[in-house]
Amino acid sequence: DAGVIQSPRHEVTEMGQEVTLRCKPISGHNSLFWYRQTMMRGLELLIYFNNNVPIDDSGMPEDRFSAKMPNASFSTLKIQPSEPRDSAVYFCASRGGPLRTEAFFGQGTRLTVV
Amino acid sequence: AQSVTQLDSQVPVFEEAPVELRCNYSSSVSVYLFWYVQYPNQGLQLLLKYLSGSTLVKGINGFEAEFNKSQTSFHLRKPSVHISDTAEYFCAVSDWGTSYGKLTFGQGTILTVHP
Repeated sequence: DAGVIQSPRHEVTEMGQEVTLRCKPISGHNSLFWYRQTMMRGLELLIYFNNNVPIDDSGMPEDRFSAKMPNASFSTLKIQPSEPRDSAVYFCASRGGPLRTEAFFGQGTRLTVV
Repeated sequence: AQSVTQLDSQVPVFEEAPVELRCNYSSSVSVYLFWYVQYPNQGLQLLLKYLSGSTLVKGINGFEAEFNKSQTSFHLRKPSVHISDTAEYFCAVSDWGTSYGKLTFGQGTILTVHP
């Protein structure tokens, strides 16, 4: 199994531009999570899906952020327009299997907005 | 609502010394508990987990943790650390209910192992 795959690994963009982060969860996992990591706030849960349906998006900081999961093998997190304070590492994680206990994380996307 | 408190933001230690990273949690329901490790520029990797049963759980790389329900703690220990254990460690909790495995993380503890 290739694990959770995120792309791109690094993204540098100018303020005001649209940014799209991508995630492919582990096959067979039915829960998917988007986290953001910053020095100031640590790991924050932005949104999570179960069976492709958004369950809780209360962690999404503003309307500039949106996430979709059109099918079981793909999710996107979009920021439009981006701002310098959005600079962070964004992680995708998936969870599933018979015990549905731990989550498996991707390598993250380091976003820098200049 | 759940919360996790990691009591030390940084822990420096010499190679081959023992180490304990402290974690306390708060929850109104029964929980699963986890420790994850993050090496520089990488994602989070599971070290160990407590689901039920024996309160002493063993994980990868020689780490172990003890669940203490009365003290709502889940401290991580290693009897002898190596330089390669230098990383950031996160304690996390998820409940057994309808949160679909949502993990709530502590703020992290940076373990630095000196030669």
